[in-house]
Amino acid sequence: ETGVTQSPTHLIKTRGQQVTLRCSSQSGHNTVSWYQQALGQGPQFIFQYYREEENGRGNFPPRFSGLQFPNYSSELNVNALELDDSALYLCASSPGTSGNTGELFFGEGSRLTVL
Amino acid sequence: GENVEQHPSTLSVQEGDSAVIKCTYSDSASNYFPWYKQELGKRPQLIIDIRSNVGEKKDQRIAVTLNKTAKHFSLHITETQPEDSAVYFCAATDSWGKLQFGAGTQVVVTP
Repeated sequence: ETGVTQSPTHLIKTRGQQVTLRCSSQSGHNTVSWYQQALGQGPQFIFQYYREEENGRGNFPPRFSGLQFPNYSSELNVNALELDDSALYLCASSPGTSGNTGELFFGEGSRLTVL
Repeated sequence: GENVEQHPSTLSVQEGDSAVIKCTYSDSASNYFPWYKQELGKRPQLIIDIRSNVGEKKDQRIAVTLNKTAKHFSLHITETQPEDSAVYFCAATDSWGKLQFGAGTQVVVTP
């Protein structure tokens, strides 16, 4: 059974740039959630995708957007990067039958630094 | 929306002693309460969870208690060991079924 994988693991961008982060969900999981974890903080819910549709969104601006593909992998896109976007971005998959969350299986995360 | 508060932010215990971390939540519709452990530079991993129809759950040295009336739940680690040193996060589902996390507790177990 393959776990959740994320890429890239680390990246550095400058303010105003755009970034795309990728996630492959665990085999058999059709729900993907994205979280932002700032240094020393708990993960903050960005949004969730279930069967290629957005299924819930946290308190993040529209410049945070996402996609889910037919194979349930997912992308997180952030436009017009700001310094405060520097964080660890965690992807988590779950075998949701209705899109609602039970246990989350996290990837190792993508650490984004915005200069 | 759901607001999860977690205390303390740091906890230092002697090896062999017990550790207790407490969380409160605001959404009375919450029905799932997991605890995650995150070691430095690693992914969060589920260590124990409890659903709203249960008041207590135990797994070896780890136990979780839930008081739905008071909207709080706690993690108890007994006979702590150095490998228990990590950041622990509580979480609760919001009314949309999405997990909202607390700010975390840094646990340090000293030999």
